[in-house]
Amino acid sequence: DAGITQSPRYKITETGRQVTLMCHQTWSHSYMFWYRQDLGHGLRLIYYSAAADITDKGEVPDGYVVSRSKTENFPLTLESATRSQTSVYFCASRGHSEGELFFGEGSRLTVL
Amino acid sequence: RKEVEQDPGPFNVPEGATVAFNCTYSNSASQSFFWYRQDCRKEPKLLMSVYSSGNEDGRFTAQLNRASQYISLLIRDSKLSDSATYLCVVSVYGGATNKLIFGTGTLLAVQP
Repeated sequence: DAGITQSPRYKITETGRQVTLMCHQTWSHSYMFWYRQDLGHGLRLIYYSAAADITDKGEVPDGYVVSRSKTENFPLTLESATRSQTSVYFCASRGHSEGELFFGEGSRLTVL
Repeated sequence: RKEVEQDPGPFNVPEGATVAFNCTYSNSASQSFFWYRQDCRKEPKLLMSVYSSGNEDGRFTAQLNRASQYISLLIRDSKLSDSATYLCVVSVYGGATNKLIFGTGTLLAVQP
């Protein structure tokens, strides 16, 4: 029962580099989400996906790209990392209940 | 103004105490409401939904006041294991699906 897994769990990179955070779920949930969590801001939605090949912007999409070629995977790419993208990134999938998101353990990204 | 506002705390209470957290939301079209719990450096997890009539789950009671756009969570007989950050969450319809908007959380520390 793996559930939802994220990788890498920790990443340090430099400004301007491309970084991809991976997210994999084993439940075949249709909806998947990427959030970032920062002190003072709480969790903010970056992108979400309703199904394979269907993605949409959330509250803070700038600087990020997502894709969803398969239901189980929802990678998040920072095309040219900036220091302001230093954060904890959580991937989540939604179960049958509208309000129940299942989160991965998070990916802690530091951009130097 | 943030869409969901919470007192960040921390709330320091002794074991056995009763503690209440409040949350206000700004979007009157908000449809559903939830409390999530997040342990230190862990992912958020759904604690309970909040229904208009109020609902209880063991030592936890959630209440909603739509007229005042106010949600509350009451914890009775606090345990050390209740120490965590409690996130108020509001569901708002936008785009292809309802989106969950998270408050910044209220930190609870239960002291022995």
